[in-house]
Amino acid sequence: DTAVSQTPKYLVTQMGNDKSIKCEQNLGHDTMYWYKQDSKKFLKIMFSYNNKELIINETVPNRFSPKSPDKAHLNLHINSLELGDSAVYFCASSQGPDSIYEQYFGPGTRLTVT
Amino acid sequence: GDSVTQMEGPVTLSEEAFLTINCTYTATGYPSLFWYVQYPGEGLQLLLKATKADDKGSNKGFEATYRKETTSFHLEKGSVQVSDSAVYFCALSRNSGNTPLVFGKGTRLSVIA
Repeated sequence: DTAVSQTPKYLVTQMGNDKSIKCEQNLGHDTMYWYKQDSKKFLKIMFSYNNKELIINETVPNRFSPKSPDKAHLNLHINSLELGDSAVYFCASSQGPDSIYEQYFGPGTRLTVT
Repeated sequence: GDSVTQMEGPVTLSEEAFLTINCTYTATGYPSLFWYVQYPGEGLQLLLKATKADDKGSNKGFEATYRKETTSFHLEKGSVQVSDSAVYFCALSRNSGNTPLVFGKGTRLSVIA
């Protein structure tokens, strides 16, 4: 069983389009995250939700909107896609928001904007 | 703000060679420190961690010691294998509140037979 799953695995789209990436975890965790990994492999937190509540919102353009319909899901919607949005997006989850809890990562979604 | 600096890659080693990947950090207070590994085509996996000064994290033959005096958390392995080829990320997290992981830029390791 996959602990943290993301769909789609690959996403190729044109500038200006709107797209969503879905994430689901079956670990019973309370906290979920979205990270962005750029072309140089630099990995940075975007958002974090705990029990469906937004707890971390780093400096991310408001074209990016996370949505957590329940504790097991955290989706990422991106409006008006730009070339600079091309990256690998990782979802992760943990038991709680504190650093003592290990984060489990999904396999990533490679987004290419042309 | 908090930051992590790790050595630039790629690092190429022969099988059974000794590995060191340097990592230093800047943070307020005493963060927890982590090494994550990303195998090709996969997400990140926690490799080891240390939560206080002088702690040593170890897993799968890898070790790292939390050195407060040098603000370092260098990753070492005595004898690498081809299967260790991956990207290694050093990261920190503050031990208070809802603090995210702050990652270094990653170091790609290639081990050749």
